[in-house]
This record gives sequence, C-alpha cells and structure tokens, in this order.
Amino acid sequence: QSVLTQTPSVSGAPGQRVTISCTGSSSNIGAGYGVHWYQQLPGTAPKLLIYDTWNRPSGVPDRFSASKSGTSASLAITGLQAEDEADYYCQSYDNSLSTSLFGGGTKLTVL
Amino acid sequence: EVQLVQSGAEVKKPGESLKISCKASGYTFTSHWISWVRQMPGRGLEWMGNIFRDDSDTTYSPALQGQITISADKSFNTAYLQWSSLKASDTAIYYCARHRDRSGSGLDFWGQGTQVTVSS
Repeated sequence: QSVLTQTPSVSGAPGQRVTISCTGSSSNIGAGYGVHWYQQLPGTAPKLLIYDTWNRPSGVPDRFSASKSGTSASLAITGLQAEDEADYYCQSYDNSLSTSLFGGGTKLTVL
Repeated sequence: EVQLVQSGAEVKKPGESLKISCKASGYTFTSHWISWVRQMPGRGLEWMGNIFRDDSDTTYSPALQGQITISADKSFNTAYLQWSSLKASDTAIYYCARHRDRSGSGLDFWGQGTQVTVSS
C-alpha cells in the first residue's frame, strides 16, 4: 500500500475526459509539498507532465491539467486520445518519512 | 539539448558488486540535483535517493539507506549508483533523472534506464 494512493486503473473513450486521483495525508500533499505527475508509455522512461502541482512543462499539451485540494491531488486529461494510454504516477515529499514518494500508479486504458 | 545517458544492461550474481552510471550533458551539471528511481518488474516507480554536485549533498530513501551508495563526479558530469552486495530483489530497471531546480522539484529529464538482472 503506497503512502500516495492512486486508483489502479481508469478508462475512457476517445474524446472523453478522465481524472486520476492521488490521495495523500497531512505529512505530504496536505503539508503543502508540490505534487508532480508523470506519464510512462509502455517500455519507455517516465515523462514529466505536471510539476509543482499545477504547472505544465513546455511541450505538454494543455489537455493535461492538475489540481489539488486538501490532502489529495488530481490529474485531468481532456479530449482523450489513443496515445494517452499509459501509466500515470504522482510524486510528492513526505516529511514524516523524510523521503520523496511516488504513488502506486494508474493505468489508463483508452477504449 | 539536455541528455542523461545511462550505462548498459548488467547481469550479475547475488553477492556481486555493481556500479552503474548516468552521464549528463547539455546543461550545467552542478546546478541540478539528480535522482535515482527504481522500477521492479511489473511494478511502479520507487524513489531511491538523490545527489547535488558531489557526494557531500546526498539523500537516501530511508528504506534503502545503507543498501546503496549514490555518488557523482562533476569532472565527468556523471552520477553513479552502486551496490556492494547485490540480491535477487535488486533486479529492476534503474532510471536517473534531473530535478528541474530544487531537490523537491519535478524530474524533467530522464535517462533511458539501465536493466539490472541479479540471478544465480
């Protein structure tokens, strides 16, 4: 069980909107630490999608957005495309464990 | 162009030592932290530790403290991850990745990964 909890899988049809949640606690997301999101396509290295909770690196489409509320964060993908099928991970810092953490990952299936 | 190029795949026996590398180019090596991330077969990402500039600024995941050593040689713009005695459970893909700015920032550039297989 990861300290940052993600739903193991989500799915959506092309063109739809999906959200991926990352639930933490008062020692990580709730403590104000930035949340980062990554996309990992099969057989490749992860790619940074969102940094510091809301920000998109250059080159990441604005179909990807993120938000945070209390001890949870979420990643939203609009206009779902087949190429979005991948594993998605959240990351933050935990001050009680004194370590950076990844969530367990969410597998997105595009139907 | 920022690049992190990792050393090649390794096959080792339990108890052997290993040091893998991550050579950075396209930016000032001493201006960014570098993290190591593990991905065991069929599993998610696990943060292992990071380093800034040289061996004096290194942090480890508490779960892995004492089991690995992270180092860097700024003369060669290279970070390293090493084990003194491998176990079968160390079988994984290991990625190095650069932090955007501070230690807690997102990992904006990643190496291609190094497959480490430990088997008798």
